[in-house]
Amino acid sequence: EAGVAQSPRYKIIEKRQSVAFWCNPISGHATLYWYQQILGQGPKLLIQFQNNGVVDDSQLPKDRFSAERLKGVDSTLKIQPAKLEDSAVYLCASSPADKETQYFGPGTRLLVL
Amino acid sequence: AQSVTQLDSQVPVFEEAPVELRCNYSSSVSVYLFWYVQYPNQGLQLLLKYLSGSTLVKGINGFEAEFNKSQTSFHLRKPSVHISDTAEYFCAVRRAGGTSYGKLTFGQGTILTVHP
Repeated sequence: EAGVAQSPRYKIIEKRQSVAFWCNPISGHATLYWYQQILGQGPKLLIQFQNNGVVDDSQLPKDRFSAERLKGVDSTLKIQPAKLEDSAVYLCASSPADKETQYFGPGTRLLVL
Repeated sequence: AQSVTQLDSQVPVFEEAPVELRCNYSSSVSVYLFWYVQYPNQGLQLLLKYLSGSTLVKGINGFEAEFNKSQTSFHLRKPSVHISDTAEYFCAVRRAGGTSYGKLTFGQGTILTVHP
């Protein structure tokens, strides 16, 4: 079974530029999560989708971050404009409906200069 | 809301020695508890989880953890570590119930370094 796929793996941008990350969850997984992991910290949930609907986006900085999962499968997370403090690893995870275990992708490492 | 405290940021240990990584949590509702491991430049991999039932849970790679409700702890143990166990370990908690409560709250992480 293929795991959660993310791209790109690494990205370097200048502040005020925009960037987008892509995630393809495990086939059949209804729930998709985006986490932000700042160096030296544990991951923090940004947004949770159930199929193509948003369940929780309470910690998403909506003035600059946006995410979509239009067909209930893959998802994109966008930052516009980026700030220095957005430098982090962005992790995507998925889980089957009504199951507790989340399966994580390898992450996208973002550096904002 | 839930919170997690991992009591040690770094744990050095010799190969074949036992290890314990400590995790305390705070919650006003019933919770599920998890331990994940993260190897360099990789995503998180589930080691074990506690949902209900027996308070001693066994996971992959010889790890086990014990849920202690009175102490609000979920410490991770391994009786004999290997060099390959060197990684960062995260304790996480989420509210018990359906997927709508799926948000995981993670601790700060514990870096386990196994020395030969």
